[in-house]
Amino acid sequence: NAGVTQTPKFRILKIGQSMTLQCTQDMNHNYMYWYRQDPGMGLKLIYYSVGAGITDKGEVPNGYNVSRSTTEDFPLRLELAAPSQTSVYFCVTGSPRGRDTQYFGPGTRLTVL
Amino acid sequence: QKEVEQNSGPLSVPEGAIASLNCTYSDRGSQSFFWYRQYSGKSPELIMFIYSNGDKEDGRFTAQLNKASQYVSLLIRDSQPSDSATYLCAVKPAGGTSYGKLTFGQGTILTVHP
Repeated sequence: NAGVTQTPKFRILKIGQSMTLQCTQDMNHNYMYWYRQDPGMGLKLIYYSVGAGITDKGEVPNGYNVSRSTTEDFPLRLELAAPSQTSVYFCVTGSPRGRDTQYFGPGTRLTVL
Repeated sequence: QKEVEQNSGPLSVPEGAIASLNCTYSDRGSQSFFWYRQYSGKSPELIMFIYSNGDKEDGRFTAQLNKASQYVSLLIRDSQPSDSATYLCAVKPAGGTSYGKLTFGQGTILTVHP
């Protein structure tokens, strides 16, 4: 039981490049979220999903896209990377039956130069 | 815009003392409150959560809610150097359509010195 896995752990991008951050969970949780954390800041919600085929924007969605074709996977796509997207990205899962317990992935540290 | 505010610190306490961390929130209808601990370079881990109906104690940790003043506190008794970390406060808004989304504060850095 791996919980929430994220790949890659680290990545350096050049301005204008694109990439996909992968997130996979094996807990059969309906809810999945992508947060970003900038240095000295709390976490900001980018996108979330309440089940396969259903996604919605969070607080800071610009420059990102998501898809949720299966319960297990929730990839985050960055198009045309910008320095402002330098951050640590966390994938998080939760369950409506889980009494508000949420499970964090280990994070992806992204630098855009 | 619903907000959660924390004093970023750093808060420094001696080993064995009580560390008190506070968090204010703007959404008066919020009903769930969370404290996460985050070590440097790691992902946040949930320490405690409380609902609007009361305080909670778990070992050395106590979470308290003051609904009238809209703040949540976390007390750490007998602080240990291993408690040194950033503590994040998070609030879940009221309503069935919140879908577990949380609003986080910016975190308070706690340092416990021997």
